[in-house]
Amino acid sequence: EPEVTQTPSHQVTQMGQEVILRCVPISNHLYFYWYRQILGQKVEFLVSFYNNEISEKSEIFDDQFSVERPDGSNFTLKIRSTKLEDSAMYFCASETGGGTYEQYFGPGTRLTVT
Amino acid sequence: AQRVTQPEKLLSVFKGAPVELKCNYSYSGSPELFWYVQYSRQRLQLLLRHISRESIKGFTADLNKGETSFHLKKPFAQEEDSAMYYCALADQAGTALIFGKGTTLSVSS
Repeated sequence: EPEVTQTPSHQVTQMGQEVILRCVPISNHLYFYWYRQILGQKVEFLVSFYNNEISEKSEIFDDQFSVERPDGSNFTLKIRSTKLEDSAMYFCASETGGGTYEQYFGPGTRLTVT
Repeated sequence: AQRVTQPEKLLSVFKGAPVELKCNYSYSGSPELFWYVQYSRQRLQLLLRHISRESIKGFTADLNKGETSFHLKKPFAQEEDSAMYYCALADQAGTALIFGKGTTLSVSS
């Protein structure tokens, strides 16, 4: 069964550095999402992407964040200048479209900002 | 504002006991409601959604619009049900999921 994959599984970075988190969604899916979960808190929506553009974003997704689908398979989340409070688990998800509502999640990338 | 509330952080039951994981929501329209499960060291996966009205792994959930609730139930808990359970809502397909804080279900023998 196809799965969403994410790399790396764990990323440690220093405050102020740029990070890129990578996701490979399921191949025939049309909608792509990033969520994050700070330790001990709820899963929070960051951004959704459809038809090569952002379709929705939350208040968390400020100018420090950007997303890209550089080719037909990868979907990336970039944080330009990381802060301590960006430390969290970041989940990618994809959805087939056609009104199914079912989002398939990746295993997550744990980002630690020191 | 859209909100999902799961009042219990942890629910501990014995094997064979009934389970009810509570979920209440706040939403002005008619949302789609879901339960997601995360087993230890595994990814979030969809357990069930209210529009399909099906039972998965013995779990059911009924949407009560009057009480704005979507509680997850299972008549006889199994040890393999131990996991983190998240209630979530969506406005429509292709939009963000709004999650509750999650409830850890622990089933012991």
